[in-house]
Amino acid sequence: DGGITQSPKYLFRKEGQNVTLSCEQNLNHDAMYWYRQDPGQGLRLIYYSQIVNDFQKGDIAEGYSVSREKKESFPLTVTSAQKNPTAFYLCASSIFRWGARGDNQPQHFGDGTRLSIL
Amino acid sequence: SQQGEEDPQALSIQEGENATMNCSYKTSINNLQWYRQNSGRGLVHLILIRSNEREKHSGRLRVTLDTSKKSSSLLITASRAADTASYFCATRNAGNMLTFGGGTRLMVKP
Repeated sequence: DGGITQSPKYLFRKEGQNVTLSCEQNLNHDAMYWYRQDPGQGLRLIYYSQIVNDFQKGDIAEGYSVSREKKESFPLTVTSAQKNPTAFYLCASSIFRWGARGDNQPQHFGDGTRLSIL
Repeated sequence: SQQGEEDPQALSIQEGENATMNCSYKTSINNLQWYRQNSGRGLVHLILIRSNEREKHSGRLRVTLDTSKKSSSLLITASRAADTASYFCATRNAGNMLTFGGGTRLMVKP
């Protein structure tokens, strides 16, 4: 079955520590995304990547970093610079098309990683 | 920045009743998407309605779009306890990224 796998499901971060959240997809999608969701809130875009070896900042990129070395993988690092990291992190992927055709592509989501501070 | 805003924020109904959720957005769109999120899980795409469509159906779901009012509604008919979830609308922003509203939390009581 094709899908998106996020790991771990739960993660705890110590003061001053960087932690990396994994996201892998076997849907052959070009585009991948990272979102942050706070309790009772919608999703906010952290970073996105439309092609391997390229990524762009979203609305709340400060304190986060990403890499896209492989089409299937888009790991997110929550750095010590992110002072309020406690949240639910969601990874998504989609087919990427230029222009109006790209508008109609739904995003497929993993089941998230819940990050807390120790 | 949030493009879509859902209303109400929370909705509680009895099984068998219909549930209606509304979404308002700010700028012109090519389409609007609705997603569902079960507690502690990722989002699942439900339905997409294009700007030249006024109504679309999928099973027990009915979505309407009024571009003159910049609003959309999601109707779930004959609700079931399994429909308990949060529902989000999503539109594309100026940077062509999906922007999600804050969601409507639906509880269907058996």
